[in-house]
Amino acid sequence: GNSVTQMEGPVTLSEEAFLTINCTYTATGYPSLFWYVQYPGEGLQLLLKATKADDKGSNKGFEATYRKETTSFHLEKGSVQVSDSAVYFCALIPRGNNNDMRFGAGTRLTVKP
Amino acid sequence: DVKVTQSSRYLVKRTGEKVFLECVQDMDHENMFWYRQDPGLGLRLIYFSYDVKMKEKGDIPEGYSVSREKKERFSLILESASTNQTSMYLCASRGQGSTEAFFGQGTRLTVV
Repeated sequence: GNSVTQMEGPVTLSEEAFLTINCTYTATGYPSLFWYVQYPGEGLQLLLKATKADDKGSNKGFEATYRKETTSFHLEKGSVQVSDSAVYFCALIPRGNNNDMRFGAGTRLTVKP
Repeated sequence: DVKVTQSSRYLVKRTGEKVFLECVQDMDHENMFWYRQDPGLGLRLIYFSYDVKMKEKGDIPEGYSVSREKKERFSLILESASTNQTSMYLCASRGQGSTEAFFGQGTRLTVV
C-alpha cells in the first residue's frame, strides 16, 4: 500500500542550526510528494511540494528533493529560526488516485534562541 | 483569503452522545476530507467526499458517518461517542485536479 515514514521527533535545535527531517515513502508508481507544517494552534498548511522525480520544492528557506532512487523526500533548512518551531508532516498523493492523500506521523521541531 | 472553518475549537462530550462536527469551505472545492490526528500516528483519513451526497470510507471509518448535503459543508457524525474517539479532528478541502489541500484549525474533542 501507499505510506509515508518520517523520522521521529521531537527535534530540538538552536537558532541558526542546520535542519534535516527525513521522509521516505512507499507507493506504486511515482506519487506527488509534499511537506505540510502545523504551527501551534493552527491547521496544516502546505510548505512545499514536488510532483516528479528530481524536482526540488522550496519555500521560506526550506527545500526538499524528490529522490526516486531512495524513495525519499527529506526536508532541509540551512539556518532555522525560532519561528520555525512547528510540527512538520510529510505526505504523498499516489499517481492516478487524487483522493488518497497519506501523511506521516509528524515531526515536532523546537528551535531555541 | 481561502478558508476552511470548523465550527468548534474544543468540545467535551459524554460517552454515548451523538456528536456533530461541522466544516465549511468557501473555495468551491469538490473534495472534502475528515482526518483524525493522534500523537505518533499522524493524520488518518476517516471519510472523504468528492461531490455533494457522495462519500467514501477512508482508513478508519468505524464509529463515524458523514453528510454532505451542500458543496461547501461536510459534517462528521459520531453516532455514539466513545472515549477512544477523543482526538483532534481536522477537516480539509481540495479542488478537483489540484494537489494542495487546505485545512481547518481543528476540533479537539474530548469524550468523558
